[in-house]
Amino acid sequence: EAQVTQNPRYLITVTGKKLTVTCSQNMNHEYMSWYRQDPGLGLRQIYYSMNVEVTDKGDVPEGYKVSRKEKRNFPLILESPSPNQTSLYFCASISASGLYNEQFFGPGTRLTVL
Amino acid sequence: ELKVEQNPLFLSMQEGKNYTIYCNYSTTSDRLYWYRQDPGKSLESLFVLLSNGAVKQEGRLMASLDTKARLSTLHITAAVHDLSATYFCAVDSRMDSNYQLIWGAGTKLIIKP
Repeated sequence: EAQVTQNPRYLITVTGKKLTVTCSQNMNHEYMSWYRQDPGLGLRQIYYSMNVEVTDKGDVPEGYKVSRKEKRNFPLILESPSPNQTSLYFCASISASGLYNEQFFGPGTRLTVL
Repeated sequence: ELKVEQNPLFLSMQEGKNYTIYCNYSTTSDRLYWYRQDPGKSLESLFVLLSNGAVKQEGRLMASLDTKARLSTLHITAAVHDLSATYFCAVDSRMDSNYQLIWGAGTKLIIKP
C-alpha cells in the first residue's frame, strides 16, 4: 500500500529540547515537503526536497532543519524548539508527473512546545 | 507573491441545501487542487483542475476552474452530513523547480441534519 508515515503522531516537549519528526514514503517519489498547519493560515511550506541531498527552504524555514540522505526518508529537525513552533505538521510525498503534482500527505504530527 | 483566498472561511448549512465555496488566486496558474480534511485527520485529494473551463465532479461535489478570472469554485449539491469537513484549495506556483503549492486558509463546512 502506497503511504507516507510520520512519527511521532503526538509530541509534547519543552523549549530548547531538540527533537526530530520522521517521515518516510514507499512510493519512490523524488519530491518531498514539510508543511505546518495553523488555524486560519492553511498550510505553509517549511522545507522541500527535490532529491537525495537536495533541499531548499519554503516559506517558513526559520527554526527548522531537514536532511535527505535516502530517497524514502525526509526528517524534520527542531534544534531548539520554541512555543511558536507548536503546530500540526504534515509531511508530503509528491508525484511530479509533468502535468500536475499530486501530494500524498502523512497522518500529521501534533507538536506542543511548552 | 502568489496569494490564495477562500470564501467563506466558515459555513454552517442544513442538509439538502446547495452552496458554493470560492477560491481566488492572485497570479497566473492553470493548476488548482482541492483537498478535504476531516477533524484530526490528514488531507485527502479531491480534485485536480488543469485548464481553463475544467470541471470535475464526484458525487455531490463539483469543482470548476476559470483561469481568466483566477477563480475556482467547489459546489455542494444537496449537502449531507458526511460532507462536513474543512476544504482547502491550493494553487501550483511552479516557481523554478520548486513544486510548491500555495494554500488557501480553508473553509470549515458544518452540515446539520
